[in-house]
Amino acid sequence: EAAVTQSPRSKVAVTGGKVTLSCHQTNNHDYMYWYRQDTGHGLRLIHYSYVADSTEKGDIPDGYKASRPSQENFSLILELASLSQTAVYFCASSEDGDEQYFGPGTRLTVL
Amino acid sequence: GDSVTQTEGQVALSEEDFLTIHCNYSASGYPALFWYVQYPGEGPQFLFRASRDKEKGSSRGFEATYNKEATSFHLQKASVQESDSAVYYCAFNTGNYKYVFGAGTRLKVIA
Repeated sequence: EAAVTQSPRSKVAVTGGKVTLSCHQTNNHDYMYWYRQDTGHGLRLIHYSYVADSTEKGDIPDGYKASRPSQENFSLILELASLSQTAVYFCASSEDGDEQYFGPGTRLTVL
Repeated sequence: GDSVTQTEGQVALSEEDFLTIHCNYSASGYPALFWYVQYPGEGPQFLFRASRDKEKGSSRGFEATYNKEATSFHLQKASVQESDSAVYYCAFNTGNYKYVFGAGTRLKVIA
């Protein structure tokens, strides 16, 4: 069965600090995505990747970096966390850019 | 630009009521359309898709028909159950492996 895991599941960070969210998939999928979820905005795409060592900007990339060191792993990096980045973050994978499999999410609170 | 509009932010129904959640999209090209469902504390799950005009997608008693002329993909279910309580997202694939999601509709079914 398809599996996408995220770590940590919950994190509290301080303003200006660095935060790294990790995602691991065992689906052997080429495509991986990072979304943030906010009430009233649904899911918004931050970064995505279709091959290892390459990432693409999504719709709201400002303040975020991404890293895809291998097919299985995709990280989201907040170099200088801000209050406005408090949200739930979801990672997803897909085989051909079609149906997506989501992880359980990471709840990030920036204080 | 690319966007998805879900008219209802929240819907409250009684068990066995008929459900309609409206979804309209704005996209260049001829996108595949999707419905996802998210239960509390979980990531979104793929519900079903439709790829061409007049195609009906369905799963778990839910269905929607691709209407290219009206740019719509409305979700319906004839008789909802309390277990259907969740957030429902309409989405489309832009064709370059990016997704656009609607803001989501929270369904609450009262037993």
